Amino acid sequence: GQNIDQPTEMTATEGAIVQINCTYQTSGFNGLFWYQQHAGEAPTFLSYNVLDGLEEKGRFSSFLSRSKGYSYLLLKELQMKDSASYLCAGLLTDKLIFGTGTRLQVFP
Amino acid sequence: DAGVIQSPRHEVTEMGQEVTLRCKPISGHNSLFWYRQTMMRGLELLIYFNNNVPIDDSGMPEDRFSAKMPNASFSTLKIQPSEPRDSAVYFCASSIRGPGNTIYFGEGSWLTVV
Repeated sequence: GQNIDQPTEMTATEGAIVQINCTYQTSGFNGLFWYQQHAGEAPTFLSYNVLDGLEEKGRFSSFLSRSKGYSYLLLKELQMKDSASYLCAGLLTDKLIFGTGTRLQVFP
Repeated sequence: DAGVIQSPRHEVTEMGQEVTLRCKPISGHNSLFWYRQTMMRGLELLIYFNNNVPIDDSGMPEDRFSAKMPNASFSTLKIQPSEPRDSAVYFCASSIRGPGNTIYFGEGSWLTVV
């Protein structure tokens, strides 16, 4: 199968750090994407990992372990505007298969 | 640069009516995707095209759904006849074909079938 699992909801406090995990149980994936989606809007690209390790981009970092079928998105110095859904997606040949998303709520 | 353009943004229609959703991908992108998003099932890939040719339509729910891409700058997703369970947000997305190339989404078409 092409299962992508991530927590449904998370909460965190402004200024804190939060880690959103994603596991996938499939063969043939060629990389792992993270997208951010605010309510009522389209998903927007955050990061892409194809090699094992950590990719850092400002306050956001993404990690991938291909052997473990595991990725996480790390958000530092949380801001209120980071309240959104975060979608983990695996790249299978040319198509992107999404998890159901993690809804993150940031509280003051 | 213009992003992926979808129309209509919102549509409310009665059960049994035909619905046509339209998409203009980003110029130069040769892969186009149609996704459907609901609260229960998240983002589901319905069909994707490479160079205007349908590559994988295994996600199309049933024969009531059809998609075409007559040229590199236009695609349609049609539902005929529509049913209430088709109510969802339909996203069109495009990318340059190749591993790891970012897929860019349109703003979505919000469909309500009553």
